[in-house]
Amino acid sequence: DAGITQSPRHKVTETGTPVTLRCHQTENHRYMYWYRQDPGHGLRLIHYSYGVKDTDKGEVSDGYSVSRSKTEDFLLTLESATSSQTSVYFCAISDALTGTGGDGYTFGSGTRLTVV
Amino acid sequence: AQSVAQPEDQVNVAEGNPLTVKCTYSVSGNPYLFWYVQYPNRGLQFLLKYITGDNLVKGSYGFEAEFNKSQTSFHLKKPSALVSDSALYFCAVRGLNRDDKIIFGKGTRLHILP
Repeated sequence: DAGITQSPRHKVTETGTPVTLRCHQTENHRYMYWYRQDPGHGLRLIHYSYGVKDTDKGEVSDGYSVSRSKTEDFLLTLESATSSQTSVYFCAISDALTGTGGDGYTFGSGTRLTVV
Repeated sequence: AQSVAQPEDQVNVAEGNPLTVKCTYSVSGNPYLFWYVQYPNRGLQFLLKYITGDNLVKGSYGFEAEFNKSQTSFHLKKPSALVSDSALYFCAVRGLNRDDKIIFGKGTRLHILP
């Protein structure tokens, strides 16, 4: 998706290991979000950021941490990966907290994470 | 607390027929409402939004949605379905309070049958 890239696209990791997913944007948007998508649950917000070094928790933040040292990068870290964190992770960006600016949220293509 | 419900996991429609994907919401006060579409192995793409004004909102790819405040619904519609409309559709809602987050429904898979 234009303006936002996620890396890696796929990752398999072992239980107990730390994992970091990266979201990079070229739109200079203020707000960035991390979601996880699971069957039967839709998308659930993990963490979000409203500026450099300004972050807050979403509804499913346990076991995850984030950092935003630059406007363009938002990192999601699984401190010690568990099988319940096997999921597809999406990053999104917005130029307004409400998502009402422009075309709402812009989503990345996702990272498929498997914890074995 | 705000919430959004998509009562149908899957909707099947014949190509050329009108389609409706249902969404109801619960939020204090007036809502911001959104529809997104997800194609296989892709992120979500914005379709349309309701902020204020006309209850009928037009969006991308010929889709539209009608905001009905009395029924707290925001159903997605299209007059004539295409096979290429087959995808996963998400409704989302946000309240007007500063701390409100966008909440997504669980998604409805739309199958357009040739």
